[in-house]
Amino acid sequence: EDQVTQSPEALRLQEGESSSLNCSYTVSGLRGLFWYRQDPGKGPEFLFTLYSAGEEKEKERLKATLTKKESFLHITAPKPEDSATYLCAVQAVGYSTLTFGKGTMLLVSP
Amino acid sequence: EAQVTQNPRYLITVTGKKLTVTCSQNMNHEYMSWYRQDPGLGLRQIYYSMNVEVTDKGDVPEGYKVSRKEKRNFPLILESPSPNQTSLYFCASSPKGHPNQPQHFGDGTRLSIL
Repeated sequence: EDQVTQSPEALRLQEGESSSLNCSYTVSGLRGLFWYRQDPGKGPEFLFTLYSAGEEKEKERLKATLTKKESFLHITAPKPEDSATYLCAVQAVGYSTLTFGKGTMLLVSP
Repeated sequence: EAQVTQNPRYLITVTGKKLTVTCSQNMNHEYMSWYRQDPGLGLRQIYYSMNVEVTDKGDVPEGYKVSRKEKRNFPLILESPSPNQTSLYFCASSPKGHPNQPQHFGDGTRLSIL
């Protein structure tokens, strides 16, 4: 059974204080790992897809990395507008479904 | 504007009263899916559709039905809703007949079943 565990559950940062969110996964064969951002009252918004270990992707203050067991979402010099819940999901080879983690709620204070 | 539209956004109803939540996308996407989101459990997939007339069960399909008669629409049907189906529901779509593409989500439907 595919499993996705995100940590921490919640994280509070000061503006400008860089940190990382973790997504550990267990899957028979990884087809893709996805990061989404979810704001209160909204649906998840796509951020990144990673396909193989060693891959990295960046978007503004966010950088996602992937190993064979986990993915990190690095947030550099965050701003209050980065406050949201960040979701990680995996898709296994041969399957058409996504398994989501429970998310990390990030709060960035000015 | 490219979007996934769900209706209604909020619904309070009673046990056993059949309801339908509609989902429509204007991006000509082949893949569509329904999720429910519950505190402490995260997002779980209910049903998905790879293309018109092709649907399949996700992780938590019990008590739900879907249909895909047109490419743009993917309604979620609760024939006899029960209180344990109180949840936040999301519809999503992606460009190809496979979710290995970024999924676009609607803004959710909050269902309360008394």
